[in-house]
Amino acid sequence: TQLLEQSPQFLSIQEGENLTVYCNSSSVFSSLQWYRQEPGEGPVLLVTVVTGGEVKKLKRLTFQFGDARKDSSLHITAAQTGDTGLYLCAGGRNSGGGKLIFGQGTELSVKP
Amino acid sequence: DAGITQSPRHKVTETGTPVTLRCHQTENHRYMYWYRQDPGHGLRLIHYSYGVKDTDKGEVSDGYSVSRSKTEDFLLTLESATSSQTSVYFCAIRDTSGGLEETQYFGPGTRLLVL
Repeated sequence: TQLLEQSPQFLSIQEGENLTVYCNSSSVFSSLQWYRQEPGEGPVLLVTVVTGGEVKKLKRLTFQFGDARKDSSLHITAAQTGDTGLYLCAGGRNSGGGKLIFGQGTELSVKP
Repeated sequence: DAGITQSPRHKVTETGTPVTLRCHQTENHRYMYWYRQDPGHGLRLIHYSYGVKDTDKGEVSDGYSVSRSKTEDFLLTLESATSSQTSVYFCAIRDTSGGLEETQYFGPGTRLLVL
């Protein structure tokens, strides 16, 4: 059962465009992480959000946690070719050994 | 970089053979995790450990076993490898030092091909 639905699964855009990736669930999470992964490497943590309605910015990347803590979004402004990669969201709960539930991932390709 | 290494980084094996993957961490983290990553599935938890000799199953544990005899090492064993276990395997640790207790950091991965 996929508890976190990530969309879109594939996204191909031109450099300079904006984009948003969504991560949705019917379940409540105590935290939501976003990771970026490049080919042949492990996922690298971008941000963790823990408060409903929280917004965090990381240069051109803006992350938002939904008010009900069931969904999240990642918005990239003026995408660059270096943003190309696989973006993963993961939801965590306070109980259960700190296990994370991952979305399927969004494969982003930014073309020059 | 959370001081996580995985070995081997690549392995090719035959169906029916046993395979052991090693995860090593240098920062004394209590929690360690094994995931597999397959196209269209994101990462799925195989097993995790919450201390030496303390382990529990994840969502895709069938065909896998784990052991943790030391804090720094977490081993994943495929007792009799099958082609469906061809995947990329990632180890992760849980960092609770910053108060964000669900944050995990990942190793570089092991690419396993079962022929």
